[in-house]
Amino acid sequence: EVQLVESGGGLVQPGGSLKLSCAASGFTFSGSAMHWVRQASGKGLEWVGRIRSKANSYATAYAASVKGRFTISRDDSKNTAYLQMNSLKTEDTAVYYCTTIYCSGGSCVDYWGQGTLVTVSS
Amino acid sequence: EIVLTQSPGTLSLSPGERATLSCRASQSVSSSYLAWYQQKPGQAPRLLIYGASSRATGIPDRFSGSGSGTDFTLTISRLEPEDFAVYYCQQYGSSPATFGGGTKVEIK
Repeated sequence: EVQLVESGGGLVQPGGSLKLSCAASGFTFSGSAMHWVRQASGKGLEWVGRIRSKANSYATAYAASVKGRFTISRDDSKNTAYLQMNSLKTEDTAVYYCTTIYCSGGSCVDYWGQGTLVTVSS
Repeated sequence: EIVLTQSPGTLSLSPGERATLSCRASQSVSSSYLAWYQQKPGQAPRLLIYGASSRATGIPDRFSGSGSGTDFTLTISRLEPEDFAVYYCQQYGSSPATFGGGTKVEIK
């Protein structure tokens, strides 16, 4: 069974930092791109960024709203992806999900974590 | 970045009716890299359609996607009670990937 489990969320002051983790199991993590998506309360989905696999040079990409402040990394030996968030702003308050899409035999399926809440407030 | 505009914002329909949701991109979506997601309250989103028209694993055939370039459509042929939810389109052909603002399909 595929599982993605996020952790590390919590309350942080504006300007502070937080590091989220996404522990994966049940699929070949090392070969999968991992994405982070966030959702503020009552709002829509916002793609935050992604990291590709080693075969794709661990390439990262970010939304304009977080570029230069957030960093995505991964540790394939631990089957874990990370989202390092620096210089946090109140508008970064949201539930953060990690997600991946697995394609095989001509079809694809997505997997999501349960989400972790990040609250940026003084 | 590519901006996706979804319409209508809310669609009020009855079970058994046909739902047609629109997603318009501010520029052409590369290689039809357009996906549709369904999200129910308190749940993570679920992938329905990728590549503009391919159904994800386990998705019923009442869901279909079409379109290319800048105009895309998600059609639900006959609404089931479990289909009332919010639907998002996403383009992933250009970086950064972006989501539309969503269409809520509610029971009339």
